Amino acid sequence: GAVVSQHPSRVICKSGTSVKIECRSLDFQATTMFWYRQFPKQSLMLMATSNEGSKATYEQGVEKDKFLINHASLTLSTLTVTSAHPEDSSFYICSAPRVGSLDTEAFFGQGTRLTVV
Amino acid sequence: EDQVTQSPEALRLQEGESSSLNCSYTVSGLRGLFWYRQDPGKGPEFLFTLYSAGEEKEKERLKATLTKKESFLHITAPKPEDSATYLCAVTWIGNDMRFGAGTRLTVKP
Repeated sequence: GAVVSQHPSRVICKSGTSVKIECRSLDFQATTMFWYRQFPKQSLMLMATSNEGSKATYEQGVEKDKFLINHASLTLSTLTVTSAHPEDSSFYICSAPRVGSLDTEAFFGQGTRLTVV
Repeated sequence: EDQVTQSPEALRLQEGESSSLNCSYTVSGLRGLFWYRQDPGKGPEFLFTLYSAGEEKEKERLKATLTKKESFLHITAPKPEDSATYLCAVTWIGNDMRFGAGTRLTVKP
């Protein structure tokens, strides 16, 4: 079963409104979570690293005031797209690494398809 | 410049026709190389993590290998349900995960 849950899976919003996307680790604690954006037929592009209890670190070119990230607990990170515009329409995916005794796996949420009209 | 390159961009195989996908990287201080499978409209599904040159891992029809410069994902006797985009990603010292562009695999019955 899924170990990282992302919600909602699809959202349509009007231009100028804000949308919040949640990412939860279900059976492990994640001090770090990653947020990606994916355009059609392209690979995942890292937007930001979410750190529990501290500020997120953003990749170059990603507007931190537009993409607000909150990592309030060890199992939840949220990405809020503020004042959304049609060019923000994309597939957003979160991931969380789970560090085991033998291996580190990075699990992904199901993704959120955002359409701004 | 540190980067991750996957080839080919697209691969079409007949069912049962084995082949390999390539992921080459030019990073210093590799911490891990990951392989994922992604179906359209879904998040990537974790397949393997490789840490050091010479390491190999297998899962059903898939086998991943790693050298100092590249990784191969070997697909033996593929089936139509193996059709997907296969992504590789790399983490290295001081950096987060970076993805290759992916290989779109189509397996025809």
